[in-house]
Amino acid sequence: GQQVMQIPQYQHVQEGEDFTTYCNSSTTLSNIQWYKQRPGGHPVFLIQLVKSGEVKKQKRLTFQFGEAKKNSSLHITATQTTDVGTYFCAGQAGYQLTFGKGTKLSVIP
Amino acid sequence: ETGVTQSPTHLIKTRGQQVTLRCSSQSGHNTVSWYQQALGQGPQFIFQYYREEENGRGNFPPRFSGLQFPNYSSELNVNALELDDSALYLCASSLLGTPGNSPLHFGNGTRLTVT
Repeated sequence: GQQVMQIPQYQHVQEGEDFTTYCNSSTTLSNIQWYKQRPGGHPVFLIQLVKSGEVKKQKRLTFQFGEAKKNSSLHITATQTTDVGTYFCAGQAGYQLTFGKGTKLSVIP
Repeated sequence: ETGVTQSPTHLIKTRGQQVTLRCSSQSGHNTVSWYQQALGQGPQFIFQYYREEENGRGNFPPRFSGLQFPNYSSELNVNALELDDSALYLCASSLLGTPGNSPLHFGNGTRLTVT
């Protein structure tokens, strides 16, 4: 079945440093979605990428979808304490959305 | 706009028992998906309902079953509970259109503990 791998599993950064998480799928995706889950909360949708090579920005967050539509990345510039949480990528193939295990981001003030 | 609501928020059951979890979709959504999230893991797809029929299922045994009602609310039933079923169960609804291709709106989840 479809597998979505995400690295790193954990990332500790000093406030103001940049952060990147990478996502790789075993199969070609129709789209990839990113979610953020705060401690004790539920996943909240951030963005969806559909086109090969697509790049989208949301303020300090930059999302990329690979040319082969099998990998993606999320980059946060100048992290803030409000960025703390676990970031999940989720790959869509057919009806099923498969989540990675997530990258847990800790930001040291 | 009413978001996705789940009940109960917490539940403790004994191994071998049965449990029913409930979910009310966000207004305007007609697709409901259920996910199991173990501690420190990503959500695992259980199944999806569209127009009251199951139209997709993940790698979960038949003792996990569900229903979707005409008002798009949904239930997840788990029979013969096992210790490994302890997890956060998330319900997610999505917008009208092709099922599975629109972003998911999650509820706060039900924390199930099996002892």
